Amino acid sequence: EAQVTQNPRYLITVTGKKLTVTCSQNMNHEYMSWYRQDPGLGLRQIYYSMNVEVTDKGDVPEGYKVSRKEKRNFPLILESPSPNQTSLYFCASSLGQNSYNEQFFGPGTRLTVL
Amino acid sequence: SQQGEEDPQALSIQEGENATMNCSYKTSINNLQWYRQNSGRGLVHLILIRSNEREKHSGRLRVTLDTSKKSSSLLITASRAADTASYFCATGSGGYQKVTFGTGTKLQVIP
Repeated sequence: EAQVTQNPRYLITVTGKKLTVTCSQNMNHEYMSWYRQDPGLGLRQIYYSMNVEVTDKGDVPEGYKVSRKEKRNFPLILESPSPNQTSLYFCASSLGQNSYNEQFFGPGTRLTVL
Repeated sequence: SQQGEEDPQALSIQEGENATMNCSYKTSINNLQWYRQNSGRGLVHLILIRSNEREKHSGRLRVTLDTSKKSSSLLITASRAADTASYFCATGSGGYQKVTFGTGTKLQVIP
């Protein structure tokens, strides 16, 4: 089944404790992206990747890192999480790099930073 | 700032009625997409309309685009309880996958 998977689905952590949220897609998609969703703010893009070893900042990259060593994986790294990073996080992928391509979303990761 | 702003923020209708949601945006676009999100879950793509198109249909969905007014509407006809979800517009601009999502309309369809 074609899908985007994220792990973990739920995570409660404390300020400053490094964490990684994994994202994997099995559709051989070139483009991958991370979003965060907060009430009243919709989805905001954190980072995106056009292809392996090609990543760039989205609208709200501060406090996050990403890497794209393999085409299928795009982990999101929070080196020193803070409470303002409490949010619902979505990974998405699409076949091509232009904005006409439909994005496929993962199920989401609900992160709470205490 | 958000590119897309949906209106209304929340909408409650009876099953069988039509639901209309609007999206306004600020800058020129190449395309506009609508996505649906069931509570707390990932978004699912519904329909894409290009900037040179005025109307598009898919099943019970009808999307219009007015680039002169920088606005789009999503009409769901003969709504069902299963249509209860949040609906987001997403504007695409530029040559690469720069898609900006709006804040969403929360639709409740009452059986």
